[in-house]
Amino acid sequence: AQSVTQPDIHITVSEGASLELRCNYSYGATPYLFWYVQSPGQGLQLLLKYFSGDTLVQGIKGFEAEFKRSQSSFNLRKPSVHWSDAAEYFCAVGAQVTGGGNKLTFGTGTQLKVEL
Amino acid sequence: DTGVSQDPRHKITKRGQNVTFRCDPISEHNRLYWYRQTLGQGPEFLTYFQNEAQLEKSRLLSDRFSAERPKGSFSTLEIQRTEQGDSAMYLCASSLRQGARYTEAFFGQGTRLTVV
Repeated sequence: AQSVTQPDIHITVSEGASLELRCNYSYGATPYLFWYVQSPGQGLQLLLKYFSGDTLVQGIKGFEAEFKRSQSSFNLRKPSVHWSDAAEYFCAVGAQVTGGGNKLTFGTGTQLKVEL
Repeated sequence: DTGVSQDPRHKITKRGQNVTFRCDPISEHNRLYWYRQTLGQGPEFLTYFQNEAQLEKSRLLSDRFSAERPKGSFSTLEIQRTEQGDSAMYLCASSLRQGARYTEAFFGQGTRLTVV
């Protein structure tokens, strides 16, 4: 069965500083990987996804992530954090289910706090 | 495209009562998913529909839970005889199949259930 580990529960960075959120996954086949962001009381917004091809993927809001198969990792990065980036970030791995659907397994999330 | 819509946004119910939630997916999306998110955790997969067919159910979906998607459009999730442990955010997501690949899931804003 697939699983996702986000080792950092909370991260605090200063506005303008760089950010890296860690994600490690376990999946038997080529993974479909995602990063979602969630503001309090809200649903999930997709930041970026990896299906295949270039291992460095660009997303919205200036985020990027790099897929490293050898390390089973898909870390999220941003060169300069803005106060509005404060939220909870979830890494997820997708697995095909009956009929070709995409069942997502999420990590427990990383809460990002941005200090002004 | 108005996104995935969920109703109600919040529901408070007494233990033992039945509740029903509705999800309206993005109109052209043929796949619909339900997830449950408890406090401090990532969302967990509950069930998946392709059109009107329910193709996958998690072990988390006890006998008290039932989901339908009549006519392959909106979906309902009913919980019978609610328990305090059912308190959670219930998230709906939809996606579209494109040939042999599938697009990412788009999430609604969720229904927050509190069982008192």
